[in-house]
Amino acid sequence: QSALTQPASVSGSPGQSITISCTGTSNDVGDYNYVSWYQQHPGKAPKLIIYGVSNRPSGVSYRFSASKSGNTASLTISGLQGEDEADYYCCSHTGSGTWVFGGGTKVTVL
Amino acid sequence: EVHLVESGGGLVQPGGSLRLSCAASGFTFSSDWMSWVRQAPGKGLEWVANIKQHGDEKHYVDSVKGRFSISRDNAKNLLYLQLNSLTAEDTAVYYCAKVTGGAFEWGQGTLVTVSS
Repeated sequence: QSALTQPASVSGSPGQSITISCTGTSNDVGDYNYVSWYQQHPGKAPKLIIYGVSNRPSGVSYRFSASKSGNTASLTISGLQGEDEADYYCCSHTGSGTWVFGGGTKVTVL
Repeated sequence: EVHLVESGGGLVQPGGSLRLSCAASGFTFSSDWMSWVRQAPGKGLEWVANIKQHGDEKHYVDSVKGRFSISRDNAKNLLYLQLNSLTAEDTAVYYCAKVTGGAFEWGQGTLVTVSS
């Protein structure tokens, strides 16, 4: 049950695109399409922004997109905006009914 | 709209116990897996436990096995987490979450502080 690996921080200027990686193993990210992403602003609860690898819930901006290749999932934020400054977490099913989160990535808008 | 409200957090001494509750509304509670996820101060998210729709299957992260117990009351739309033998490492905000197709939808959390 080791945490998925995410970069500690990623930054970009307004309007740019950034990508956050989430690396697991063949026992989690690589084996299941139950990969999701969450945005968390300081002092707030996490918010679902991507589920099922690449699906956006209703109401989530089209600027958020995601994909998976092998044991690595990726979240891309395009047209970066100030409101995107937050922590982002990936999550994957690990089999046997358990789940694991990534360590989190702090996104800074320069 | 999914609405989850956690309660029961507070200050507890090392070795003590606490029971967290989560009141659910806005969806058919008995149709979904439910989870508890925690976040230590300044740290990331950690999945803690989950429970199947009718409580016949439960899973825990290794660090809480034998100390924490998840349960649910579908008649009252309530999810519980019993925390026993608490240590300082259990200090965190505890969130309950509805889990559908791998998507977690969250409550606002309740803070548990373990300290003497």
